[in-house]
Amino acid sequence: EAQVTQNPRYLITVTGKKLTVTCSQNMNHEYMSWYRQDPGLGLRQIYYSMNVEVTDKGDVPEGYKVSRKEKRNFPLILESPSPNQTSLYFCASSPTTGLLYNEQFFGPGTRLTVL
Amino acid sequence: AQKVTQAQTEISVVEKEDVTLDCVYETRDTTYYLFWYKQPPSGELVFLIRRNSFDEQNEISGRYSWNFQKSTSSFNFTITASQVVDSAVYFCALSGVNTGFQKLVFGTGTRLLVSP
Repeated sequence: EAQVTQNPRYLITVTGKKLTVTCSQNMNHEYMSWYRQDPGLGLRQIYYSMNVEVTDKGDVPEGYKVSRKEKRNFPLILESPSPNQTSLYFCASSPTTGLLYNEQFFGPGTRLTVL
Repeated sequence: AQKVTQAQTEISVVEKEDVTLDCVYETRDTTYYLFWYKQPPSGELVFLIRRNSFDEQNEISGRYSWNFQKSTSSFNFTITASQVVDSAVYFCALSGVNTGFQKLVFGTGTRLLVSP
């Protein structure tokens, strides 16, 4: 089944404790990105990657890191989480060619709470 | 810059009522795509529709219909004979040629509450 998976789905942590949210897709998509969803703000893009070893900042990159060492994986790293990073996070992937070239496939979301 | 405005923060209706969710967008791109997503209480994002800027035909899918008007930069979503299962947050989104159509710019969402 074609899908985007994220782990963990729920996480409660404390300020300053490094964490990684994993994202994996099995559709061989070139483009992957991370969004965060906050009440009253909708979803905003954090980082994106056009392909392996190619990453760039989105609209709200502060406090986050990403890497793209393999095509299927795009982990989101919070080196020193703070309470203002409490949010619902979505990973998405998309092909860059073909009929579905701009359709985003979203993961199920990761709800992160930073105390 | 691209922007999507969903002015209705929350709408409450009684089952079987028709309801329209408004979406107004801003973009300088001549080629762009508009989307609607549904987010039920379980939290996942469910894709509803994608429409490109060259196709202004309205679309109907069951009880759902979409009205795209470039003249007013609007892409409104109507649910006919609403049901309790339609209760969700609905997001309108835009992607444009300047970002390779890959990045979605979302509105702030409209929460729809359908009561029995």
